[in-house]
Amino acid sequence: AQSVSQHNHHVILSEAASLELGCNYSYGGTVNLFWYVQYPGQHLQLLLKYFSGDPLVKGIKGFEAEFIKSKFSFNLRKPSVQWSDTAEYFCAALAGGSQGNLIFGKGTKLSVKP
Amino acid sequence: GAVVSQHPSWVICKSGTSVKIECRSLDFQATTMFWYRQFPKQSLMLMATSNEGSKATYEQGVEKDKFLINHASLTLSTLTVTSAHPEDSSFYICSAKQRGERTQYFGPGTRLTVL
Repeated sequence: AQSVSQHNHHVILSEAASLELGCNYSYGGTVNLFWYVQYPGQHLQLLLKYFSGDPLVKGIKGFEAEFIKSKFSFNLRKPSVQWSDTAEYFCAALAGGSQGNLIFGKGTKLSVKP
Repeated sequence: GAVVSQHPSWVICKSGTSVKIECRSLDFQATTMFWYRQFPKQSLMLMATSNEGSKATYEQGVEKDKFLINHASLTLSTLTVTSAHPEDSSFYICSAKQRGERTQYFGPGTRLTVL
């Protein structure tokens, strides 16, 4: 069965620290990958997505993610976090193209200390 | 663009009553809408997928007679929790996408509390 793993449940960083959130998926075929962010009290927003092409994907708010097929990974990175990045981050995988369902990881809560 | 709304944002009801939650795509035609449930400190669990004009497809373990889904138009899907019980209390989130697209856009969610 397809699954998405996010190994960090809660990450606490100080402002200006660098961020990397891990995401691994299990699916052998073509997969589309997403990172969503949920700020406190708000709805899920799309940060970035990977469908094909350049494995280094840049998203909004300075976030980027790298698709490494050999490692089945799609880690999220940001070189310098801000207090406003405090949120929950969800990695998701879509297998089966536009007909498939999104499979979500359990989410990683990021707390940034000012 | 790609805005999805939900109504109500929160609802409290008595055990045994039914509650309807609406999901609307405001600026695009949503040929497919999804309903998720999110438990505290957990991820989103897909409950069902609905295509406009068709019956919803429910995930394993989701009671279709309890969670009635209607997707009568390209901009509206409704989830009705029938005969709600306290264990149905949860955060229900819908998402929508256009035909042939792979990106889903999420609504703000509805907090249901059943007393």
